[in-house]
Amino acid sequence: DAMVIQNPRYQVTQFGKPVTLSCSQTLNHNVMYWYQQKSSQAPKLLFHYYDKDFNNEADTPDNFQSRRPNTSFCFLDIRSPGLGDAAMYLCATSRGGDPVENIQYFGAGTRLSVL
Amino acid sequence: AQRVTQPEKLLSVFKGAPVELKCNYSYSGSPELFWYVQYSRQRLQLLLRHISRESIKGFTADLNKGETSFHLKKPFAQEEDSAMYYCALRTDSWGKLQFGAGTQVVVTP
Repeated sequence: DAMVIQNPRYQVTQFGKPVTLSCSQTLNHNVMYWYQQKSSQAPKLLFHYYDKDFNNEADTPDNFQSRRPNTSFCFLDIRSPGLGDAAMYLCATSRGGDPVENIQYFGAGTRLSVL
Repeated sequence: AQRVTQPEKLLSVFKGAPVELKCNYSYSGSPELFWYVQYSRQRLQLLLRHISRESIKGFTADLNKGETSFHLKKPFAQEEDSAMYYCALRTDSWGKLQFGAGTQVVVTP
């Protein structure tokens, strides 16, 4: 059973055309993360939400925004995609707060192509 | 500075041979380390974490604070172990992870 679901699996957009990626979770976890993973590289954290508190990484470009309307859903908005934004985008969740149980559960990812 | 280093991009081993994936970290606090694995066409998933001190799929990893290492080992590699392996360091109380660059393991018969 998929617990972290990302839609769509593949997304094609045009240079400069805004795009939104979606993540939902059935785990009722407090924390949701968005990572960018380029080919042959490690996942790179863009930002995360602890409940409604948004935490941006210092080096995340302003072009990337996020919304979390409720516990289950989190969105990644790319306002003006460039060719360099083509990547796999991973969503993950964790329960947060308890170090013993703090494991991240990943979605299958959305592969974004920019034409 | 927080850093996770996986020096090997690719490890090719024969089935039945031992395999060891190296991971070194740099962290000023008390480290919490993980190994995540990504099999072909599957999502990234937790393999094991140092606080559990358990063996998963025959893999073990011991945290060595003196050497700042968390190497992953398996005495007899199987073909189904072929995957991408990432070492990760938890860097805050919310569970934020810093990933290493990853090691691709290929087990040949």
